[in-house]
Amino acid sequence: GNSVTQMEGPVTLSEEAFLTINCTYTATGYPSLFWYVQYPGEGLQLLLKATKADDKGSNKGFEATYRKETTSFHLEKGSVQVSDSAVYFCALSRSSGSARQLTFGSGTQLTVLP
Amino acid sequence: EAQVTQNPRYLITVTGKKLTVTCSQNMNHEYMSWYRQDPGLGLRQIYYSMNVEVTDKGDVPEGYKVSRKEKRNFPLILESPSPNQTSLYFCASIQTGTGSYEQYFGPGTRLTVT
Repeated sequence: GNSVTQMEGPVTLSEEAFLTINCTYTATGYPSLFWYVQYPGEGLQLLLKATKADDKGSNKGFEATYRKETTSFHLEKGSVQVSDSAVYFCALSRSSGSARQLTFGSGTQLTVLP
Repeated sequence: EAQVTQNPRYLITVTGKKLTVTCSQNMNHEYMSWYRQDPGLGLRQIYYSMNVEVTDKGDVPEGYKVSRKEKRNFPLILESPSPNQTSLYFCASIQTGTGSYEQYFGPGTRLTVT
């Protein structure tokens, strides 16, 4: 079945540091890949997505590239801010089929210190 | 404004007392889903619905029921709550037209069963 494996947290960085959160997946077919962010006390918000191999999703300075050869979708940001402190979830969905095929990773807690 | 609403946001109840968590979306999406979020486990799908009167089990359906009598509403029902159902619950409405199954989440309901 489908699965998503995320880098174990928590991750603590200083402001302006470089961020990488690793995400690898196992899936049949050609899934779409997502990064969601959850700020304290809130629901999940879509951060970025990629729907096919070699696509790069980007938003708010975050980027992730869909690498089919390594089945990865690592999240990166060149210079993090305190406001980026949140939990980040990698997720995948099938490009066809039912909503049953929606799978999340376990989440990575990021804390950015001033 | 595209929105998914959930009520209540916080609920403390006792074992065995039936409860319903409501979920409503204004995006005319056919697909909706319920998740629970537990530390270290990420989001796990409880039930999903592909359209009115069409529902199916997710990964952790035991102890839960759902109904979908109208497209906009997808309530989650706990007939006899138990302490192991203490969790953070999220409803999601799913956009399928683009084929990427992008999800829009409600703000969450924090349930405590004593």
